[in-house]
Amino acid sequence: GQNIDQPTEMTATEGAIVQINCTYQTSGFNGLFWYQQHAGEAPTFLSYNVLDGLEEKGRFSSFLSRSKGYSYLLLKELQMKDSASYLCAVLMFSGGYNKLIFGAGTRLAVHP
Amino acid sequence: DTEVTQTPKHLVMGMTNKKSLKCEQHMGHRAMYWYKQKAKKPPELMFVYSYEKLSINESVPSRFSPECPNSSLLNLHLHALQPEDSALYLCASSQDFDRNRNYGYTFGSGTRLTVV
Repeated sequence: GQNIDQPTEMTATEGAIVQINCTYQTSGFNGLFWYQQHAGEAPTFLSYNVLDGLEEKGRFSSFLSRSKGYSYLLLKELQMKDSASYLCAVLMFSGGYNKLIFGAGTRLAVHP
Repeated sequence: DTEVTQTPKHLVMGMTNKKSLKCEQHMGHRAMYWYKQKAKKPPELMFVYSYEKLSINESVPSRFSPECPNSSLLNLHLHALQPEDSALYLCASSQDFDRNRNYGYTFGSGTRLTVV
């Protein structure tokens, strides 16, 4: 089976930094994705980690520790438009195929 | 073209109706997916097609019937649905389904389905 945990909700102030954590327990781990989803819209790709370490892309960074089953998404210089759900998703290899399985998502509210 | 296009955007159907959801991509992706997302819940995988063949069916009820007519198109045929099937249905595609080549999934904007 698989289990992906992330906080349900977070709040932060415009201009600040926020870290969203994700822990996972899966078999056949083949990488971890972070997606952003605004209400009623499609998830949009933010980052992908398959090796341990930090991946930086503009205001967004993602970290992975495979031995700890842990990842985080770091958002810097928060803007109001960053208010959205952030989905941690694990690519797992099972039964000969890759499957992308999502965590429940973290709803981030950015306040002025 | 870097998009996945889904039609219709909204659909209301009765429990005795037959309808179809459509998904199209022209990125040359060879894997396509159907996900179902209820409000405030994560997307849940329903079906996976790889090279136009059904690879994964996540024990989805037979009232949902997927079809992949060619490498660019993916349909989801709906028949005799229940009100609890009301959800956002998301289509996604990825470049390849091979274990050793992992690419991001591109999602469509979804079809919001209401069953009455």
